[in-house]
Amino acid sequence: QVQLVQSGAEVQKPGASVKVSCKTSGYTFTDFYTHWVRQAPGQGLEWIGWINPNSGDTNYEQKFQGRVTMTRDTSITAAYMELKWLTSEDTAVYYCARVKGGNNYHFDYWGQGTLVTISS
Amino acid sequence: QSALTQPASVSGSLRQSITISCTGTSSDVGSYNLVSWYQHRPGKAPKLIIYEGNKRPSGVSNRFSGSKSGNTASLTISGLQAEDEADYYCCSYAGRNNWVFGGGTELTVL
Repeated sequence: QVQLVQSGAEVQKPGASVKVSCKTSGYTFTDFYTHWVRQAPGQGLEWIGWINPNSGDTNYEQKFQGRVTMTRDTSITAAYMELKWLTSEDTAVYYCARVKGGNNYHFDYWGQGTLVTISS
Repeated sequence: QSALTQPASVSGSLRQSITISCTGTSSDVGSYNLVSWYQHRPGKAPKLIIYEGNKRPSGVSNRFSGSKSGNTASLTISGLQAEDEADYYCCSYAGRNNWVFGGGTELTVL
């Protein structure tokens, strides 16, 4: 069955970086884009960007450009999202989700979420 | 881009119907029939319930339906059940390989 399993909760200090992993199984990793979405406490979902696991191409929401880096390791079918220069506003649950390549635009499977807490 | 606009909360009684609106712009909702809807319960991953405006994934109840008019998409849930109580988010493709979510709507079943 399709699974996206994320790394565990993190606590980081302001100014630090965090790297969240998303280990996938049950499907052809390179056939689906991996997207990242976050939800801050009491807020809605916010799209961060995607990586094409096949090519490594990425696209980030303008708000995060320069601060986020998405990578993948096709040998272990995992995707990663690193966010730098963290502030308290980055405290959120971060989700990975997949979108099938081609003319598809919806997130059909999601990871369980990773809570990232920024605190001094 | 700016988040799509959804009502913060809606409520309905058991077995009634409710509709949640999702208003965007001519650059996102209005330009593409690519709105998806997600049901999100606390502590769980969001669940896809509608895609491409009005299509339901396998296994999703036909009590959920979607539509669009101009820059506004809508999710209708008919025959409300207690288990429908959750947060609902719309999401639209926004062009240039970007996506945008709505602010979310909390559904209370009375």
